[in-house]
Amino acid sequence: QQQVKQSPQSLIVQKGGISIINCAYENTAFDYFPWYQQFPGKGPALLIAIRPDVSEKKEGRFTISFNKSAKQFSLHIMDSQPGDSATYFCAASIGGGADGLTFGKGTHLIIQP
Amino acid sequence: KAGVTQTPRYLIKTRGQQVTLSCSPISGHRSVSWYQQTPGQGLQFLFEYFSETQRNKGNFPGRFSGRQFSNSRSEMNVSTLELGDSALYLCASRPTGGSNQPQHFGDGTRLSIL
Repeated sequence: QQQVKQSPQSLIVQKGGISIINCAYENTAFDYFPWYQQFPGKGPALLIAIRPDVSEKKEGRFTISFNKSAKQFSLHIMDSQPGDSATYFCAASIGGGADGLTFGKGTHLIIQP
Repeated sequence: KAGVTQTPRYLIKTRGQQVTLSCSPISGHRSVSWYQQTPGQGLQFLFEYFSETQRNKGNFPGRFSGRQFSNSRSEMNVSTLELGDSALYLCASRPTGGSNQPQHFGDGTRLSIL
């Protein structure tokens, strides 16, 4: 049972455009929602994270939007740059994550110059 | 501050063998988690250790085991290797495993089973 569904699987965006990746979850006990960025040959690196008591969080060009009633959250990358080309994963966990992060399947993002 | 260090980076084994992977967490971090990453299944949680005790385990067979030492370093062992165990194994650490602490990942060990 896939508890976190991520879309799209791949995404091509022009330089300077907005990249949008969506995730939906099923388990209402999830209370922590991070996004990770992974480059080839590297481990995932935390980008930004949000808790369900907040509807939006922004850090630089990266914004998470959270819709608790719809059980959905999304990552927006503003002014996308070729260096943003990577695989992005959404994740969710319960109570601090001692039971581990549940990841989406990932989105392969390509920013065309 | 040094990041999470995993050794070795690459490993080739044959079916039926066993393997041990090592993880050194960020200095001061006491919680270590392990994940398996494959193209088909994505990132899946294996287990988490805190203060030398396994706190939780994902849905993997008993062939997958781990341990944590008093200095917080962790090892993961896979016995009777199968072709399907070919994957990138990632270790992540955080200070104490509390609710406001993100997990920091190493670059993984790429395990290939022949």
